[in-house]
Amino acid sequence: AQSVTQLGSHVSVSEGALVLLRCNYSSSVPPYLFWYVQYPNQGLQLLLKYTTGATLVKGINGFEAEFKKSETSFHLTKPSAHMSDAAEYFCAANAGGTSYGKLTFGQGTILTVHP
Amino acid sequence: NAGVTQTPKFQVLKTGQSMTLQCAQDMNHNSMYWYRQDPGMGLRLIYYSASEGTTDKGEVPNGYNVSRLNKREFSLRLESAAPSQTSVYFCASSVDRGYQPQHFGDGTRLSIL
Repeated sequence: AQSVTQLGSHVSVSEGALVLLRCNYSSSVPPYLFWYVQYPNQGLQLLLKYTTGATLVKGINGFEAEFKKSETSFHLTKPSAHMSDAAEYFCAANAGGTSYGKLTFGQGTILTVHP
Repeated sequence: NAGVTQTPKFQVLKTGQSMTLQCAQDMNHNSMYWYRQDPGMGLRLIYYSASEGTTDKGEVPNGYNVSRLNKREFSLRLESAAPSQTSVYFCASSVDRGYQPQHFGDGTRLSIL
């Protein structure tokens, strides 16, 4: 069975600082990977996805993530945090086999941005 | 462009009451999903429908039933609500049961007393 682990339930950064949100997956096959963002009282919005090909994936709002098979990781980064980035972020995996078509989510990381 | 619409947005029930959460999508997607979100646990899949006319259990199906009414609509029913079902429920849809991203509604916040 696949699983997704996000290290750190809360991350706090200053405006303009680097954002790094960590995600590791456990899967018998390399999964398709996603990052979603959730603003208060809203649903989840897709930030970016990794399917195949280039391992560095660029998403919306200046975010990017790198798929590292050897480390089973898909960490999310943004060079310079903005106040509007404050939200909860979810990493999710969609693997094949019996999990085909099903998303497995990490526990979520709440990002706080200080002025 | 509405995307995925969920009704109601908020609901309070008493233990033992029944309720149906409604979900509709206007993107002509084949696959639809129901999740529950609880603090510190991310989203967990309750049921999904790969295509019209099919439904399958997800990770936490106990206490729930679903109906794929047509291609657009996918409802979730609580037959006898329990306090453990207090949660935020999200409906999502995707082009098909594959690796395409899922699109989410804004959620239904359900409290069971």
